Amino acid sequence: DADVTQTPRNRITKTGKRIMLECSQTKGHDRMYWYRQDPGLGLRLIYYSFDVKDINKGEISDGYSVSRQAQAKFSLSLESAIPNQTALYFCATRGGAEGGYTFGSGTRLTVV
Amino acid sequence: RKEVEQDPGPFNVPEGATVAFNCTYSNSASQSFFWYRQDCRKEPKLLMSVYSSGNEDGRFTAQLNRASQYISLLIRDSKLSDSATYLCVVTRQGRRALTFGSGTRLQVQP
Repeated sequence: DADVTQTPRNRITKTGKRIMLECSQTKGHDRMYWYRQDPGLGLRLIYYSFDVKDINKGEISDGYSVSRQAQAKFSLSLESAIPNQTALYFCATRGGAEGGYTFGSGTRLTVV
Repeated sequence: RKEVEQDPGPFNVPEGATVAFNCTYSNSASQSFFWYRQDCRKEPKLLMSVYSSGNEDGRFTAQLNRASQYISLLIRDSKLSDSATYLCVVTRQGRRALTFGSGTRLQVQP
């Protein structure tokens, strides 16, 4: 099994629908992150969490919400999806302040 | 100005060539530096951390120049399998997440 698992892998949804992207990890890391990637813009931080009681907005949190259900689970919700939220979404974990990230395989979301 | 800037490329090089990428960062307080590799439509994967003294991993060498605020990645004897996008990543004390550059695309040709 992958260290960081994202579901679904691909999703097409309609404008205005609520959608949840899920992320679970087996690395035992406290730090979890959600990024989106758009062509030419790189990865941009949406939300991050350092434990179940610690949720923080990133640089582009508008239109998104998150839930840290347990140390191992961090879900991202789009309350009312819009077409410019079409992107590749990545969940990542980090073991400490010095290390790099481990990413999930990504969720390709298309909002039509 | 972006916090981390990279030449988007693409860099098209023949097999066996040596290729170098640079990345500049704007915040002098940046402390940790990484290179990630991302294949098309896949997740980024850590290639190597970058240390002040420079570090080497096989055909890959990373350098940090704090005075000029840039990091570099040198790939020697390029392989077809090196074709990917290379992401420059930095972070600084007090900042709780990594900041990614937009990436430099490398295409190694036979």
